[in-house]
Amino acid sequence: QKEVEQNSGPLSVPEGAIASLNCTYSDRGSQSFFWYRQYSGKSPELIMSIYSNGDKEDGRFTAQLNKASQYVSLLIRDSQPSDSATYLCAVPNAGGTSYGKLTFGQGTILTVHP
Amino acid sequence: EPEVTQTPSHQVTQMGQEVILRCVPISNHLYFYWYRQILGQKVEFLVSFYNNEISEKSEIFDDQFSVERPDGSNFTLKIRSTKLEDSAMYFCASSVDRVGNTIYFGEGSWLTVV
Repeated sequence: QKEVEQNSGPLSVPEGAIASLNCTYSDRGSQSFFWYRQYSGKSPELIMSIYSNGDKEDGRFTAQLNKASQYVSLLIRDSQPSDSATYLCAVPNAGGTSYGKLTFGQGTILTVHP
Repeated sequence: EPEVTQTPSHQVTQMGQEVILRCVPISNHLYFYWYRQILGQKVEFLVSFYNNEISEKSEIFDDQFSVERPDGSNFTLKIRSTKLEDSAMYFCASSVDRVGNTIYFGEGSWLTVV
């Protein structure tokens, strides 16, 4: 059973601070990792993808991947109240038979307070 | 920006009734998916569909569920005899390829079984 684990939070940070969200996964064969943002009652929205060890930056977002530790994280710099949402870590099934089957973590609720 | 559209946005149905949820994937996408999210729980994969047939399905996707692409644009999920535990948000998604990095989700259909 492939697992993706996240701390459900809630994580509360002040506006302007760095929010750090973490995710661990069980399948050592996983090659791709995604962060989705989900506002309450809405659908998941892809915000970052990462495939190689190290950091990947996109605007205020930085994804970090450590395959040896089976750990992926998302940093949000200069957090804004509009960043308040649930952040979902998702990992596609490894192996050639995967057809876009994503395994999601339970999500971390982030609250950015003014 | 192209988007996945779903109808209805919300449906209330009696236990035992059949329900059809409809989706129009992004026009140049070839892979289609249904996911569901029970309130307060993880987003869960149900089924993937490619080349007019099911590519992969989860344990949740039992004989009560079926998918169809009746024409060139619509993709439907049918629940034959709904149960209370089928109450959830159902997300349709589509992608250009099977790798998983370009999966776009629709806004969801909220199903309430009473």
